[in-house]
Amino acid sequence: KAGVTQTPRYLIKTRGQQVTLSCSPISGHRSVSWYQQTPGQGLQFLFEYFSETQRNKGNFPGRFSGRQFSNSRSEMNVSTLELGDSALYLCASSAPQGYGNTIYFGEGSWLTVV
Amino acid sequence: GENVEQHPSTLSVQEGDSAVIKCTYSDSASNYFPWYKQELGKGPQLIIDIRSNVGEKKDQRIAVTLNKTAKHFSLHITETQPEDSAVYFCAALRDDKIIFGKGTRLHILP
Repeated sequence: KAGVTQTPRYLIKTRGQQVTLSCSPISGHRSVSWYQQTPGQGLQFLFEYFSETQRNKGNFPGRFSGRQFSNSRSEMNVSTLELGDSALYLCASSAPQGYGNTIYFGEGSWLTVV
Repeated sequence: GENVEQHPSTLSVQEGDSAVIKCTYSDSASNYFPWYKQELGKGPQLIIDIRSNVGEKKDQRIAVTLNKTAKHFSLHITETQPEDSAVYFCAALRDDKIIFGKGTRLHILP
């Protein structure tokens, strides 16, 4: 069974640009969540989608947005990039409640803003 | 809301010795406690988990204990090896909401 797949793995953007990151969850998983990880800050929760609906949201500005498609694949978008947005962005998927809620992470997308 | 405290933030142990990482949580309704290992340049990998109806779980050199009364759980790694060097995260989950600890950077010294 394929794991959580994130693309692209590495990217460099300029301040003010926007970026879109993609995530394909494990087959059968309908919940997808996104995290930002910076050195010393641990895993900061961005948002979670379930059946194309945003179910939970973290404390990030409106420049951070996401969506989920009918096939459970998800994208997150960051507009008007700032230097502080440089981070590892992790996507995670889990099965519906009742199947253990075990969360599996992808390898992440490394974003560098210059 | 739920809060998860993880200690220590950095831990160095001699190869072959044991390592213990501790976490406390605030929401008594949390019922699932996974541990993740993150190696450099990779995403976190689930290494062991425990549910609230179990007090201890072991998988080879790794074990997790849960004290529901005190609301704390711990990761124990015995006979540590160089490949155990990584950042470890604990987490507590209630319903569909998961909260992570800040992580522990484990160094295995030769």
